[in-house]
Amino acid sequence: AQSVTQLGSHVSVSEGALVLLRCNYSSSVPPYLFWYVQYPNQGLQLLLKYTSAATLVKGINGFEAEFKKSETSFHLTKPSAHMSDAAEYFCAVSGVQNDYKLSFGAGTTVTVRA
Amino acid sequence: DTGVSQDPRHKITKRGQNVTFRCDPISEHNRLYWYRQTLGQGPEFLTYFQNEAQLEKSRLLSDRFSAERPKGSFSTLEIQRTEQGDSAMYLCASSLAPGQNTEAFFGQGTRLTVV
Repeated sequence: AQSVTQLGSHVSVSEGALVLLRCNYSSSVPPYLFWYVQYPNQGLQLLLKYTSAATLVKGINGFEAEFKKSETSFHLTKPSAHMSDAAEYFCAVSGVQNDYKLSFGAGTTVTVRA
Repeated sequence: DTGVSQDPRHKITKRGQNVTFRCDPISEHNRLYWYRQTLGQGPEFLTYFQNEAQLEKSRLLSDRFSAERPKGSFSTLEIQRTEQGDSAMYLCASSLAPGQNTEAFFGQGTRLTVV
């Protein structure tokens, strides 16, 4: 079985500051990990995914995440926050490559201060 | 192709009524997933199809829930005798089958309110 835990339900950052969203996973098999973003009343959009090819994964909109097996973590970062980054972010895990039967975390809401 | 579309976007129903939602996936996608998202939570997996075959159902999917994908294209999710606890956003996603480098695309969801 796979699960993820997102640390911090709300994160507030200043425009231009670092965005760091934390995700820890638990998996009985090698995990496939994902970060999604959700804007109000919208579906989910994939930011990036880890599929064991490289531990540092670059995604869209300047986001990246690093897979650390020793820490069972997959934290999401962006060097410089933009107002448009205000949204809810979800970490998710699958036990099968390219299988989208996902277990999601509870989400982290990001607000960006001008 | 305009992506995954879901209909209706919003549904308000009285407790005890039946409701049906529709999902139209991206046309060449043979996998279709249903998720439920309650307020303040991440999506929870409900069920998925490969073509017309329903391959797995979560234990969250009680007997009042039924999903179909009769011709391997669009899918419907029906909830019978709705309860207030069914109020949630119901999300549909589609993808190519595993074994291909693929991404799942989500629809905008159907928000159900049971009053």
